[in-house]
Amino acid sequence: SQQGEEDPQALSIQEGENATMNCSYKTSINNLQWYRQNSGRGLVHLILIRSNEREKHSGRLRVTLDTSKKSSSLLITASRAADTASYFCATDGVGSEKLVFGKGTKLTVNP
Amino acid sequence: DGGITQSPKYLFRKEGQNVTLSCEQNLNHDAMYWYRQDPGQGLRLIYYSQIVNDFQKGDIAEGYSVSREKKESFPLTVTSAQKNPTAFYLCASTGPGGNYGYTFGSGTRLTVV
Repeated sequence: SQQGEEDPQALSIQEGENATMNCSYKTSINNLQWYRQNSGRGLVHLILIRSNEREKHSGRLRVTLDTSKKSSSLLITASRAADTASYFCATDGVGSEKLVFGKGTKLTVNP
Repeated sequence: DGGITQSPKYLFRKEGQNVTLSCEQNLNHDAMYWYRQDPGQGLRLIYYSQIVNDFQKGDIAEGYSVSREKKESFPLTVTSAQKNPTAFYLCASTGPGGNYGYTFGSGTRLTVV
């Protein structure tokens, strides 16, 4: 079963623009995580936000979490061509022992 | 450097064959996971293990088997019972407490020939 659903499925922007990806989920969570995957590679952990946090920053990344709406967003500011990748949200559900991943957003940053 | 090593990078399986994918970590993590990734499907959990000599089925365990005899190793066997094994397989591990991200290996691409 897939808990998180990313939106949009694909996003194409120009270098220097901001990219926003959204994630919705269904059940109560301990935390929500965002990962990046370059084509044909493993996933890389970007950021973890706990259920009692509303916003978190890491470099050019900003993540928000709204537990009342069961949604999160990932903002990448001043995007670069190297940011081209698929981005996945994953939820650690209350009482669960494992992460559940969404289907991802494919981001293309054009030079 | 600590990390997860998956091997081989590419694997070809003939019909009716069992194949084993290797996953080794030197991060001292207790929990390890196997995911399958198909195009457009995201990641689906096959098996996971929270501790040595114990493992649990994930969402799509049929046709797969695992073992966890050592903390560092969590091999996945794709058996002949798995009818559609062509996919990208990812191994991951994480530290204790549930507030750490997962560390992933670089994946094994399995193709049935």
